Order: sequence, then C-alpha cells, then structure tokens
Amino acid sequence: QKEVEQNSGPLSVPEGAIASLNCTYSDRGSQSFFWYRQYSGKSPELIMSIYSNGDKEDGRFTAQLNKASQYVSLLIRDSQPSDSATYLCAVDLKTSYDKVIFGPGTSLSVIP
Amino acid sequence: EPEVTQTPSHQVTQMGQEVILRCVPISNHLYFYWYRQILGQKVEFLVSFYNNEISEKSEIFDDQFSVERPDGSNFTLKIRSTKLEDSAMYFCASSDRERFGYTFGSGTRLTVV
Repeated sequence: QKEVEQNSGPLSVPEGAIASLNCTYSDRGSQSFFWYRQYSGKSPELIMSIYSNGDKEDGRFTAQLNKASQYVSLLIRDSQPSDSATYLCAVDLKTSYDKVIFGPGTSLSVIP
Repeated sequence: EPEVTQTPSHQVTQMGQEVILRCVPISNHLYFYWYRQILGQKVEFLVSFYNNEISEKSEIFDDQFSVERPDGSNFTLKIRSTKLEDSAMYFCASSDRERFGYTFGSGTRLTVV
C-alpha cells in the first residue's frame, strides 16, 4: 500500500481562483503533516505544517487535516502564476522514530 | 534568512568511485536528514541523524552509504562505490525540532557515468 498519495495533475486553475490540492496517507498513527512547494529544478520549500484536525490558515494558504479519513488538503486562495509549482505532501510515520515521507506531488499550473 | 548549504552543486563520477556530498545545516538545528530525488520521481527518505547517530534509515540506505558529522558544522553523505542508479539529486535538510518541518539545501546533482 502506497504510504502517501496525491493526484499527479497537472491541475490547472485561472489566476485569482482557488486551487485545491489533496493528499491521503496510510499510517493511521501519523501525527505531523506538511506541505512543501517545489519549483522545477529546485529544492522543496516548507509552506505549511499541521498537527491537529481542522483548518490552519497562513496568508493565502489553508491546510486542512482529517485524521479519521487520513486526508490532508491545501487550499491556495487568489492563485498567482508564481504559485505554479509541484506541491508535495509529507507525513511522518508513527511506526518510526524520525522519518517523514513524501508523496509524489501534484503539479499546479496557474493560468494568467 | 538562515539556510542549509550543500556542496558541490553538481558532481560527475565514474561508476565504482566513492563520493562525499557535503552539507552545512542551519547552526542551531539538531536534526539532520538526507533525501534523494531521481529525475521525475518523488523525494525519497534516506536517513535521519540526531545526537551523532542515525535515528532512522530507509531500505535504500544500504552498506554503500554512510553519514558523518565530522565537526560542529558539517554533515556528510558518503557513497562508497557508486552505481548508475545512484544518479539523482541529493538534498540535505535540517530542523530544530523532531517531527517538525525541514529546511532543505539546494541539493547536489550526482551523475554516475
């Protein structure tokens, strides 16, 4: 069973729209959840972390966590062309001491 | 803004040769990691390191791989006998807290020929 799954995309949204990115994970005991942004040829950059069920907002970004459904999402409001990147969902593994694994990423394209 | 520094940015090596990838984590961080990303594939966990010892390692991190913190600032990944399939971007990351978000370095692109 794949540990962290994401739709590969590409997801295309018009500028100014809301982009919705989804992630599911298999380890029911996971406690820490992260969203990273990766521009082509660059390293991952942390944009959001979330540890409790519910919503967490930071500027134009909102992370949502539902541990019962093993589901994490990222909403990007007022999408800008500069948001065009691959978004990586990352989850820690309860069964390990210190190991965070990444999903395959969703490619987002914001069309001007 | 503090950053994680990796050198070299690109290394080409012959199959069977040893390579050492170098990282300088953020100075007050205590948790260190190596990940790799084969072109077009996902970011894969290799190893986590804390208090001068390995905390976790993946199946990829076999006897050909080793990590070391030789002094108070550097964190290195050694691949003893490189294979063609080791060609990838290698990222170092650090964190000041366990299970917290990481700061990644800009990566070393390793090409094995």
